[in-house]
Amino acid sequence: DSGVTQTPKHLITATGQRVTLRCSPRSGDLSVYWYQQSLDQGLQFLIQYYNGEERAKGNILERFSAQQFPDLHSELNLSSLELGDSALYFCASSVSAGTGAYNEQFFGPGTRLTVL
Amino acid sequence: TQLLEQSPQFLSIQEGENLTVYCNSSSVFSSLQWYRQEPGEGPVLLVTVVTGGEVKKLKRLTFQFGDARKDSSLHITAAQPGDTGLYLCKGGTSYGKLTFGQGTILTVHP
Repeated sequence: DSGVTQTPKHLITATGQRVTLRCSPRSGDLSVYWYQQSLDQGLQFLIQYYNGEERAKGNILERFSAQQFPDLHSELNLSSLELGDSALYFCASSVSAGTGAYNEQFFGPGTRLTVL
Repeated sequence: TQLLEQSPQFLSIQEGENLTVYCNSSSVFSSLQWYRQEPGEGPVLLVTVVTGGEVKKLKRLTFQFGDARKDSSLHITAAQPGDTGLYLCKGGTSYGKLTFGQGTILTVHP
């Protein structure tokens, strides 16, 4: 158990819909990272927040957005969903503000999103 | 666009054999991390290398970062069934760019 929690574990929805994925980092960690893992694209970095502020941006689509709240939990919002958005979405946390190149990140168990 | 080519994609070996997984790029990375992921779980960090030519050992695992910081390898000696999993390399830059290899699915048969 990494100490990072993600809800829900599974999510099934239809094209065009909007969903919100939630992540609670490990106690004491200020950085939250979001990743998408799919069979064709592999694991891709989406975005990082540190203490409520956006820190680094990866391959995040404009239809996706994220935020980190004062209690440090984070939400990833996915809108106008397409079939290709079906994937595992991971949240990771670390104590440092670093960009993720050097830090040890602790990954949650993921949310499996299925878009029908 | 930075790409990390990871090979082989699949590896199926017998217990006790040695193996090497490679990550190669035409781009320079500030760091290279290796992760192991088991089904239904998130990746777990194995090692971070940051200096060109650096070699790190973790029990039966040996990690190397290329001199030019464009490639890396993971060598496992005397593989065990518990080593089975998905191995991922991740290249990072100081300005926040993170790039993953496609992964190597390793199966070690008893």
